[in-house]
Amino acid sequence: KAGVTQTPRYLIKTRGQQVTLSCSPISGHRSVSWYQQTPGQGLQFLFEYFSETQRNKGNFPGRFSGRQFSNSRSEMNVSTLELGDSALYLCASIPTSGGGEGEQFFGPGTRLTVL
Amino acid sequence: AQSVTQPDIHITVSEGASLELRCNYSYGATPYLFWYVQSPGQGLQLLLKYFSGDTLVQGIKGFEAEFKRSQSSFNLRKPSVHWSDAAEYFCAVGGRAQKLVFGQGTRLTINP
Repeated sequence: KAGVTQTPRYLIKTRGQQVTLSCSPISGHRSVSWYQQTPGQGLQFLFEYFSETQRNKGNFPGRFSGRQFSNSRSEMNVSTLELGDSALYLCASIPTSGGGEGEQFFGPGTRLTVL
Repeated sequence: AQSVTQPDIHITVSEGASLELRCNYSYGATPYLFWYVQSPGQGLQLLLKYFSGDTLVQGIKGFEAEFKRSQSSFNLRKPSVHWSDAAEYFCAVGGRAQKLVFGQGTRLTINP
């Protein structure tokens, strides 16, 4: 079974631009979570989607948004980029049936650098 | 509020020595507890998890962890470390809400 795919793996943007990151979960998983990882703040929860609906949201400004499609693929968008948005963005795929609830399988991440 | 504390930012051990990484959590309900490992430039790999039942859980790569409710702890152990264990280790707590709260991580260095 293929793992979690995140594209692109690396991205360089300038302040004020916007960016879209993509995540394809493990086949059969219907829930996806996003996390931001920075040296200063560590790993922080952004949001979680299940069946195209956002179920949980972390404490991030409205510039951070996401969505999930009917095939469970998810995208997150950051508008009006700031230097502090430079981070590793991790997507997690979550099984929602057959046991394993609560367990999250992470992708390799997208490294975003804002100049 | 949920929180996880990993008191040790950096630990150095010799290859073949035993290892214990500490994790303390604060959670209002019955927690789901996890240990993840991250190698440089990589995502997070699940080492083990605790949901309920036996408080000593076995994971991959020879790791184990013990849940102690009275101490709000979930320490990770390995009897003999290998050079390939050098990485960063994260303890996390979560629940059915699917939102994980992570500790700050412990960086493990292995001396040959």
